[in-house]
Amino acid sequence: TAGITQAPTSQILAAGRSMTLRCTQDMRHNAMYWYRQDLGLGLRLIHYSNTAGTTGKGEVPDGYSVSRANTDDFPLTLASAVPSQTSVYFCASSEGQGNQPQHFGDGTRLSIL
Amino acid sequence: GQNIDQPTEMTATEGAIVQINCTYQTSGFNGLFWYQQHAGEAPTFLSYNVLDGLEEKGRFSSFLSRSKGYSYLLLKELQMKDSASYLCAVTDSNYQLIWGAGTKLIIKP
Repeated sequence: TAGITQAPTSQILAAGRSMTLRCTQDMRHNAMYWYRQDLGLGLRLIHYSNTAGTTGKGEVPDGYSVSRANTDDFPLTLASAVPSQTSVYFCASSEGQGNQPQHFGDGTRLSIL
Repeated sequence: GQNIDQPTEMTATEGAIVQINCTYQTSGFNGLFWYQQHAGEAPTFLSYNVLDGLEEKGRFSSFLSRSKGYSYLLLKELQMKDSASYLCAVTDSNYQLIWGAGTKLIIKP
């Protein structure tokens, strides 16, 4: 089935460790996004990429980095995890930016202890 | 600043009609989306409005008034499976999507 695949599904990580969340889409969408979703708050954009080879900072980029080497993959790296990064992380993609609907992966539930 | 307001929670009865409101203040406007998110799952696209008026899609309709910074999602003939959170999101002048915190809809038999 076409769509977005995120891995891992869930993870418990010790504070100070690094981790990369994986995201792959097979829809040939140009734009990709990383969000975090915390209870009581809306989805908050961490980083985005409008096309392969380019990335941009969202609302809450500190402590996270991304790369977009090709169209399909958009990994998110936490260099040194802190407990405040405990959240559900969603990767999404869209054909273009802005007024195109976004398609979401199933999310990664990350707990930092 | 940019802001999207939606009620935190609503309760409705199976078979009834419910209207979920969304008001927004953003730097520019390039469209408004509604998404559905079941507990523990990913958001899924429901509707998109960029012009004033009502867009109907089966049991779901979405309305937009740009002059009032207001939208609503209307759900008819409610079913138990409609129990979910409904997220309002606005595309601003930079084509970034600004998300509301979502409205949790509880359907009672």
